[in-house]
Amino acid sequence: KQEVTQIPAALSVPEGENLVLNCSFTDSAIYNLQWFRQDPGKGLTSLLLIQSSQREQTSGRLNASLDKSSGRSTLYIAASQPGDSATYLCAVSWVDSSYKLIFGSGTRLLVRP
Amino acid sequence: GAVVSQHPSWVICKSGTSVKIECRSLDFQATTMFWYRQFPKQSLMLMATSNEGSKATYEQGVEKDKFLINHASLTLSTLTVTSAHPEDSSFYICSARTDRFNYGYTFGSGTRLTVV
Repeated sequence: KQEVTQIPAALSVPEGENLVLNCSFTDSAIYNLQWFRQDPGKGLTSLLLIQSSQREQTSGRLNASLDKSSGRSTLYIAASQPGDSATYLCAVSWVDSSYKLIFGSGTRLLVRP
Repeated sequence: GAVVSQHPSWVICKSGTSVKIECRSLDFQATTMFWYRQFPKQSLMLMATSNEGSKATYEQGVEKDKFLINHASLTLSTLTVTSAHPEDSSFYICSARTDRFNYGYTFGSGTRLTVV
């Protein structure tokens, strides 16, 4: 069964810290991996999309890496700010699953001022 | 580009009634859309894959007669929750995969359904 797991489930850090969110997935034959942000009661905002042929993607203070062989992705957030407080979701689609996007359980991030 | 519009954003209905949620791709054609459900403090669970011009494919455990999906055009998919019950109260969100976004996924803003 193709699954996505995220750790930690929750994270609280002081403002300014660099932090890493982890995502692991079964079955390395992925099509792509996408990181999203979700604010309470809101929809999803796409942060970064990594194709299976790529190793990393960067956008501003965010950097996502992909290691298919080990079934892992990390989302690195530099110089965290209170506005970064949200739930971060990792989602994976596999080649042989009709491109369905399967989500991890998310990491709830709180950045304290 | 690659915008998905979802309506309504919230709805309250009485038990036993049906509710329709619309998902439109505004600036691209979506042959495939996906419907998700999210309970409080939980992640998104895929309910079904909506295919234009054909029957939807439902995930295991999702009642296809209760959650009717219609994908009649390349820009519109609808989810109808039939004979709604309070346990159907949830956040429903649709998604489309598009080459406009390098074959990533773009999501609607979601619908908060409350059944009273």
